[in-house]
Amino acid sequence: AQSVAQPEDQVNVAEGNPLTVKCTYSVSGNPYLFWYVQYPNRGLQFLLKYITGDNLVKGSYGFEAEFNKSQTSFHLKKPSALVSDSALYFCAVRRNPTDSWGKLQFGAGTQVVVTP
Amino acid sequence: NAGVTQTPKFQVLKTGQSMTLQCAQDMNHEYMSWYRQDPGMGLRLIHYSVGAGITDQGEVPNGYNVSRSTTEDFPLRLLSAAPSQTSVYFCASSREGTNQPQHFGDGTRLSIL
Repeated sequence: AQSVAQPEDQVNVAEGNPLTVKCTYSVSGNPYLFWYVQYPNRGLQFLLKYITGDNLVKGSYGFEAEFNKSQTSFHLKKPSALVSDSALYFCAVRRNPTDSWGKLQFGAGTQVVVTP
Repeated sequence: NAGVTQTPKFQVLKTGQSMTLQCAQDMNHEYMSWYRQDPGMGLRLIHYSVGAGITDQGEVPNGYNVSRSTTEDFPLRLLSAAPSQTSVYFCASSREGTNQPQHFGDGTRLSIL
């Protein structure tokens, strides 16, 4: 069963407009949720994580994400997108609360294109 | 700091050849892992290690071997390359703990002809 889903292959947004990248999960227990960004020909870079506590998590480069337990979602947001935010974004979840560290499940990725 | 270093950056192999993808980290991280990235499939875990001498299988381990003789190094071996192993391979490391973010290398782009 799919543990994490990113329903949009690509998101297009004009510079200065709000950016949202969607992520939903389907794991039991309390999920550990992560967002990573990948620039061309580079490895993934950590943006932010939700472990526990405040549902609104702030991360790097002005990004934030909101954990919604009832909707099992963890959408990534940025109030005002920049052209330099154009990249591939991945949501990830620890699949099983009893899984050891290594077993993160990544979504398929969402390509963000920010136009000037 | 160099972080996570992967070599080579690019490699072309013929079917049946073997090779080793190198991964080294200088952050004294206990945890290391190997992923493969294929279009539309995100990253899939191949093998991981929680410390020197300890390795375990991930989601897609067939055709790959790993070992962890030191904290710093975590090589991935392709035993007999197949076209289905054409992919981009990423190594990652992190501190101990299931909520720790992973640090990724820049990847090895591997083509199997």
